[in-house]
Amino acid sequence: GDSVTQMEGPVTLSEEAFLTINCTYTATGYPSLFWYVQYPGEGLQLLLKATKADDKGSNKGFEATYRKETTSFHLEKGSVQVSDSAVYFCAHTGGTSYGKLTFGQGTILTVHP
Amino acid sequence: DTGVSQDPRHKITKRGQNVTFRCDPISEHNRLYWYRQTLGQGPEFLTYFQNEAQLEKSRLLSDRFSAERPKGSFSTLEIQRTEQGDSAMYLCASSFPTSGVTDTQYFGPGTRLTVL
Repeated sequence: GDSVTQMEGPVTLSEEAFLTINCTYTATGYPSLFWYVQYPGEGLQLLLKATKADDKGSNKGFEATYRKETTSFHLEKGSVQVSDSAVYFCAHTGGTSYGKLTFGQGTILTVHP
Repeated sequence: DTGVSQDPRHKITKRGQNVTFRCDPISEHNRLYWYRQTLGQGPEFLTYFQNEAQLEKSRLLSDRFSAERPKGSFSTLEIQRTEQGDSAMYLCASSFPTSGVTDTQYFGPGTRLTVL
């Protein structure tokens, strides 16, 4: 069935470090891929998305590339800030026509000054 | 754009009681979704509406759960005879379908349910 697997966390980094959060998926059809972020005390927000193979989504310095051959959508940022501390969720639509999302379990990121 | 709103934000109830949650989507959005999120996990899909029609329900949505969207605007999620295992954050999301592009779901702040 459809699923998303994220790297186990939590992840703790120093400010300005490089960030990678791995995400792999299984899906029927041709899903769209998403990264959502949940800041402390706030709701889920879309961070970036990619709708077809080899597309790169980017926002706020974060990037992720849709890799169909490896069924992956790893999140990267070259230099993290304390304000990036949050929970990050990878998700996909599983090829449905209306966009039902299947989420990973989330990765907690803590960035220290 | 006031965003997706949910009410109440928190609900504490005793086992066996019924509870109802409300979701108000972004005004022009005709797609509405309910998800459930337990501690340390990602959200899990519960059900989906297009306008007033409920088009899909997850197996997670037992007979004790019912959702409605009577006029294609706000939606309610009712849980009857609550159990401790129902304790979770209930999230609502809405979207507007964009031709040829997967529409983006916008999430509300959630209703946190605690069943004692």
